[in-house]
Amino acid sequence: AQTVTQSQPEMSVQEAETVTLSCTYDTSESDYYLFWYKQPPSRQMILVIRQEAYKQQNATENRFSVNFQKAAKSFSLKISDSQLGDAAMYFCAYGGNNNDMRFGAGTRLTVKP
Amino acid sequence: GAGVSQSPSNKVTEKGKDVELRCDPISGHTALYWYRQSLGQGLEFLIYFQGNSAPDKSGLPSDRFSAERTGGSVSTLTIQRTQQEDSAVYLCASSRGQGRSGNTIYFGEGSWLTVV
Repeated sequence: AQTVTQSQPEMSVQEAETVTLSCTYDTSESDYYLFWYKQPPSRQMILVIRQEAYKQQNATENRFSVNFQKAAKSFSLKISDSQLGDAAMYFCAYGGNNNDMRFGAGTRLTVKP
Repeated sequence: GAGVSQSPSNKVTEKGKDVELRCDPISGHTALYWYRQSLGQGLEFLIYFQGNSAPDKSGLPSDRFSAERTGGSVSTLTIQRTQQEDSAVYLCASSRGQGRSGNTIYFGEGSWLTVV
């Protein structure tokens, strides 16, 4: 079964600075998707960014970008110009042939004013 | 409705009682997921429904847990003889299709279960 690992339980960043959240995964599949989801204190999960495994180009959504290293099975999230509203739990997720979505344990991001 | 709806939003139950948690997915979404999130923890996969296919129950922690999805829409997660370790937020999510298709999954706000 696929596993998703987030090795940073907590991260902290100064407002307006850049932070990178790490994610690694284990799979034998070649075709899959990777996601970053954000869960603010309201508990509502929100999609941040998505990456297709067969695409070499890293996905970007405004201040959010990923560094996708397929061979290394690494999928990190970079948040530029951090804002107070970015404070949340961030979950890395894998969607593959098993048709379910597997999530990492999450990284709690604190943004300091 | 516009989003995934879950009920109840909060439930306090006595140890040993049965509970039912309901999920109403977004209309037209064929995939439905249940996850469990303990306080401050990640998402634990429980069960996955896709259309009329047999559900993937591989994440259910014990035979006290079961789920069904009627008519390909509403789903109910049932926990029998609840234990204190069952206390968690139970999140339901739905999507248009399969994880490998890259479909965004949309989450409900969760049902917070407390077993006392």
